[in-house]
Amino acid sequence: SQQGEEDPQALSIQEGENATMNCSYKTSINNLQWYRQNSGRGLVHLILIRSNEREKHSGRLRVTLDTSKKSSSLLITASRAADTASYFCATDDSNYQLIWGAGTKLIIKP
Amino acid sequence: KAGVTQTPRYLIKTRGQQVTLSCSPISGHRSVSWYQQTPGQGLQFLFEYFSETQRNKGNFPGRFSGRQFSNSRSEMNVSTLELGDSALYLCASSARTVDTGELFFGEGSRLTVL
Repeated sequence: SQQGEEDPQALSIQEGENATMNCSYKTSINNLQWYRQNSGRGLVHLILIRSNEREKHSGRLRVTLDTSKKSSSLLITASRAADTASYFCATDDSNYQLIWGAGTKLIIKP
Repeated sequence: KAGVTQTPRYLIKTRGQQVTLSCSPISGHRSVSWYQQTPGQGLQFLFEYFSETQRNKGNFPGRFSGRQFSNSRSEMNVSTLELGDSALYLCASSARTVDTGELFFGEGSRLTVL
């Protein structure tokens, strides 16, 4: 079953703008991870945030986690054409199994 | 350090046939997971192996099976193929021992069932 639900399903913005994607989940988690997938390729790990963390940064990426609302957001600042991809959140539940969302398709227009 | 290698990258089969996909994890990684990705169902967890033992299993029929060898390489097998098995099959390895850490994915094996 899918636990993570990304929002929006698709997002199209101009190069240079910021992109924000959200992920909601249902049960308690150990950690939440974000991955990027370029069309038809394997997924690439972006960032992992643990349940006791509230915010994490990695380059142009900022991830927040609100365990009371069971939600997370991924912010990509100063977007580039190369950021065009699908973005997935995955939650590590108490069974140490990753549960994946359906993804947000991000398109960066030049 | 070499990444996760999946073979074959593309394959075409007909209904009723069986297929075996192979995955070589990153050196030192003992956990290997398999996922099925389709446009309609997203990323679905098949199973995870750790030190040759299946540690977790997704909700797939018994036609889907896997195994892991002593060198951590893994194979998955799908028997009696159905049209709905057409998908991108992704393998991921992890250095995880207790909780879930970062997954390293291969490029996938794209299976088309005719």
